Amino acid sequence: KNEVEQSPQNLTAQEGEFITINCSYSVGISALHWLQQHPGGGIVSLFMLSSGKKKHGRLIATINIQEKHSSLHITASHPRDSAVYICAVAPYTDKLIFGTGTRLQVFP
Amino acid sequence: NAGVTQTPKFQVLKTGQSMTLQCAQDMNHEYMSWYRQDPGMGLRLIHYSVGAGITDQGEVPNGYNVSRSTTEDFPLRLLSAAPSQTSVYFCASSQQGWHIQYFGAGTRLSVL
Repeated sequence: KNEVEQSPQNLTAQEGEFITINCSYSVGISALHWLQQHPGGGIVSLFMLSSGKKKHGRLIATINIQEKHSSLHITASHPRDSAVYICAVAPYTDKLIFGTGTRLQVFP
Repeated sequence: NAGVTQTPKFQVLKTGQSMTLQCAQDMNHEYMSWYRQDPGMGLRLIHYSVGAGITDQGEVPNGYNVSRSTTEDFPLRLLSAAPSQTSVYFCASSQQGWHIQYFGAGTRLSVL
């Protein structure tokens, strides 16, 4: 069993829809990351969080440490949100463990 | 402020050839790492460094070599390329290993 599981693996949406991507993990962590990988391949960090909720523009990330679960929400989705979203956890070490990603396509 | 600069973007090698992937960062980060990304798998750590002169193995180190002579540079060497090393390679840097990662643009490597 992978230590970091993301769901769904693939997601399609119409422009304007509210989107949720889930991440479950099985180890104790000091932090959880959400990353975005653009169709061109570049990877950027969206959020790093260890408790509660963070918001940046139309993106919201939440984490429940007790349930070992995090969600990434996108409000009012847009075709430019189409990307692969990757969850990664930091299990009290220097090394991150990455999920396999959720591929999101938003159609006009 | 360039961030993390990774070269080349594309490379094709023949089995047995050697090459070096370059990575440089200008953010004075102590922690640098190399990952490979393969279809259906999460990013996997090849080697990492917590500072100049200090390197360590990650999850998939075989066939790769690294050195860290300066804070800025962290090259990855493929000693004798094999088809199993066909992958996309990313270099990253951060203040600490668990902290926000800054990624290079990636290198798409094909080994024939």
